[in-house]
Amino acid sequence: AQKITQTQPGMFVQEKEAVTLDCTYDTSDQSYGLFWYKQPSSGEMIFLIYQGSYDEQNATEGRYSLNFQKARKSANLVISASQLGDSAMYFCAMRERYSGGYQKVTFGIGTKLQVIP
Amino acid sequence: DTEVTQTPKHLVMGMTNKKSLKCEQHMGHRAMYWYKQKAKKPPELMFVYSYEKLSINESVPSRFSPECPNSSLLNLHLHALQPEDSALYLCASSFGSNQPQHFGDGTRLSIL
Repeated sequence: AQKITQTQPGMFVQEKEAVTLDCTYDTSDQSYGLFWYKQPSSGEMIFLIYQGSYDEQNATEGRYSLNFQKARKSANLVISASQLGDSAMYFCAMRERYSGGYQKVTFGIGTKLQVIP
Repeated sequence: DTEVTQTPKHLVMGMTNKKSLKCEQHMGHRAMYWYKQKAKKPPELMFVYSYEKLSINESVPSRFSPECPNSSLLNLHLHALQPEDSALYLCASSFGSNQPQHFGDGTRLSIL
């Protein structure tokens, strides 16, 4: 069974500063994928970044980067130059692949990030 | 704007009503998903359709009935719901088993 652990229920960061959101995972699969999603208070889930277990380089997407440490089973999200619009709930997730062309995603409990002006 | 469109955005219904939630995507994704999300909790998977066939039902009560009429459309039919079914219902789609899921904005459902 796959498990995602996010240990920071809430985080504060000053505008323009960088922040790291922690995520650890547990799986017996050799091939797996890790995602980060952002959910503002309005409700939509926004895909931010993806890291495959065999990717040698850490994923980056604009101000988002994923600090992937495979041996430690951690996949922390780093947001650089925080903006007020970054205030949201952030979910770390892991996907389990099925041969029928679909996936099952396990979400962590989330971290609520608040950016302070 | 999201590429997965959910309607309606808000729905209030009584316990004896019958209503449907609709989800549409035109990205050519062949897998579609329904999730239920309670406040301050992560989304919980309800159903998965792949190539228009029901692939996963996470032991969801029969008062929720999914339907996938074609590869672009996913419905969730609701009947005789309970107050504890009040939640945000999210639809998602993915190109396959490896690519990230894209979510709609959700339907906020309230059961009176």
